[in-house]
Order: sequence, then C-alpha cells, then structure tokens
Amino acid sequence: AQTVTQSQPEMSVQEAETVTLSCTYDTSENNYYLFWYKQPPSRQMILVIRQEAYKQQNATENRFSVNFQKAAKSFSLKISDSQLGDTAMYFCAFMKTHSNSGYALNFGKGTSLLVTP
Amino acid sequence: KAGVTQTPRYLIKTRGQQVTLSCSPISGHRSVSWYQQTPGQGLQFLFEYFSETQRNKGNFPGRFSGRQFSNSRSEMNVSTLELGDSALYLCASSHRGGGWETQYFGPGTRLLVL
Repeated sequence: AQTVTQSQPEMSVQEAETVTLSCTYDTSENNYYLFWYKQPPSRQMILVIRQEAYKQQNATENRFSVNFQKAAKSFSLKISDSQLGDTAMYFCAFMKTHSNSGYALNFGKGTSLLVTP
Repeated sequence: KAGVTQTPRYLIKTRGQQVTLSCSPISGHRSVSWYQQTPGQGLQFLFEYFSETQRNKGNFPGRFSGRQFSNSRSEMNVSTLELGDSALYLCASSHRGGGWETQYFGPGTRLLVL
C-alpha cells in the first residue's frame, strides 16, 4: 500500500513571495505518477502539476514547479510569485503507473495555503 | 466541452436511509472514479469504473456500491446511512483512468446524514 504524507497542515505566504509545500510518500513501486491538486473554497479539485517517476527532470507549469527526489521519496511543490487566487487546499497524490486492477489516486491529508496581501 | 457534472449538489438524509448519487463524465471519457472527502479521513478512494466494469475498489463496507452505464454515466449508492457517511463525494473522469491522463473532477455532492 502507498502512503502520502503532507507534514504542513497550514501555511501562509505574502503575495508575490515564494512558498514550498512538502510531500513525502512511501511505495515499493518503481514506476508511478505524482500529482499536486488544488482545491479552492469552491471545492472544485484542479490538477496543478504532474510528475512521472521515470523522468529525472522536475516538472514545471508556469509559476508552479516541483522538486522530485525519487530516492528520498520526496515531492515538494514550489509556488513562485504567489497570488491571492492561489489560496486553497493543496493535495499531494500518488498513482501507480500500471495496474491490472484499475487506477486510484492516493491522496495526502492536504496543506491549507493562505496568500495574504 | 462540458465538465464533469454531479447531481444532486446537496443532500440531507437521515440515518438508515439510502442515497444514490450521480456523475456524468466528460464526453468521451470512459473511466469514472469516486472519492469520499471528510475532515477526519481526508480524501479516500471508493471505486473506479471503466466501460461498465468496476476495476478497482477502495476499503469501504459493502453498503457502498456503484455502477456505470453504457454512456459512461455512473451512480454510487450508499445503503443504511450512518452519521459518518456525511461527506463530500467527488467523482473524476478521464479517458482510460491512468496517471498519464488528467483526472477531471466534478463539483461534488455534499451529503449530510442526520
């Protein structure tokens, strides 16, 4: 079984600053995907960024980037130039690459991020 | 393209009743997954359907069941409701369900059990 741990229940950052959210995971799989999802107060879950475990290069999407350390099983999210609209709950999630029994996202408990003016 | 839709958006039931929630995936998507979100347990996987077949099931009691129709629409049913079933139920859809695809989530159905 895979476990995903987000050790920071709440974080706060000022507008335009940079913040890093932490995530560690435990798995015996060698091939998998890691994700960061954002859930704003509207509750609509939105994919922020995805990382394939076999890729050494860290994924980036505009102001969002990850630091993927496979050996350490660490997957942190960096948000640059934070904006008020980034205020949301952020979930780290894991999914196996191949499965004969379907697919499932395994989520961490989440980090509540507040961006202040 | 229309997004994932879930109906109803809000529901109030009493203990012992049963409830059926519906999820309509994005057109062309054949994989539908269901998740339960509570403050205490967080987001937990319920089940995944692909082409009308349940491919994967989470660790939930048999009171939780689901199905998928030929048009990929999915329903989940909870029988003999308990207070602890109060939650936000999210469904997500994608073409085939794998991690190489983006899972698109619906707005959720908020269930309150009294």
